[in-house]
Amino acid sequence: AQSVTQLGSHVSVSEGALVLLRCNYSSSVPPYLFWYVQYPNQGLQLLLKYTTGATLVKGINGFEAEFKKSETSFHLTKPSAHMSDAAEYFCAVSDGNNRLAFGKGNQVVVIP
Amino acid sequence: EAGVAQSPRYKIIEKRQSVAFWCNPISGHATLYWYQQILGQGPKLLIQFQNNGVVDDSQLPKDRFSAERLKGVDSTLKIQPAKLEDSAVYLCASSLGFKGELFFGEGSRLTVL
Repeated sequence: AQSVTQLGSHVSVSEGALVLLRCNYSSSVPPYLFWYVQYPNQGLQLLLKYTTGATLVKGINGFEAEFKKSETSFHLTKPSAHMSDAAEYFCAVSDGNNRLAFGKGNQVVVIP
Repeated sequence: EAGVAQSPRYKIIEKRQSVAFWCNPISGHATLYWYQQILGQGPKLLIQFQNNGVVDDSQLPKDRFSAERLKGVDSTLKIQPAKLEDSAVYLCASSLGFKGELFFGEGSRLTVL
């Protein structure tokens, strides 16, 4: 079975500061890894994904994530937070057949 | 391009009543998913369809939940009878295939009193 762990349900970050959301995964097969963002009363939107190849993945809205197999991690970063980044962020892992297992999510609050 | 459509957006029922949710995927998407998102948790896959066949329903509580995808397009998810713990947002998603990006609808929020 596959799973992801996201620590810290709420993350506060100052506008202009680094955004860092941590994700650790468990998988018995080479993982496919995803980050999704969810704005209030909206569905989930894909930020970025890792399947194979380059371990540093760039996504939309200036976000990027790095796959580190040795650390079983896929942390999400953005150099400079913007007010529009306030949302809930979910890390997910898949076996390659699109059956995603999601973490509990991080609610990001951006402080002006 | 139209996105994944879901209805109703909100539903309030009493326990032991029944409820049904409808999903219309993006045109041409063969794979359809229903996820349950309980407050404070990440979405959990309930069922995955490929065209009108079930690929995975291992996490669907079959004693009270049922889902169908007639003609390989629209899908309905039914709960009968509902329990308090079924209060959640039910998300529908679709993709071109097993490797394609999932596109999510806005969800149907169920409150069971």
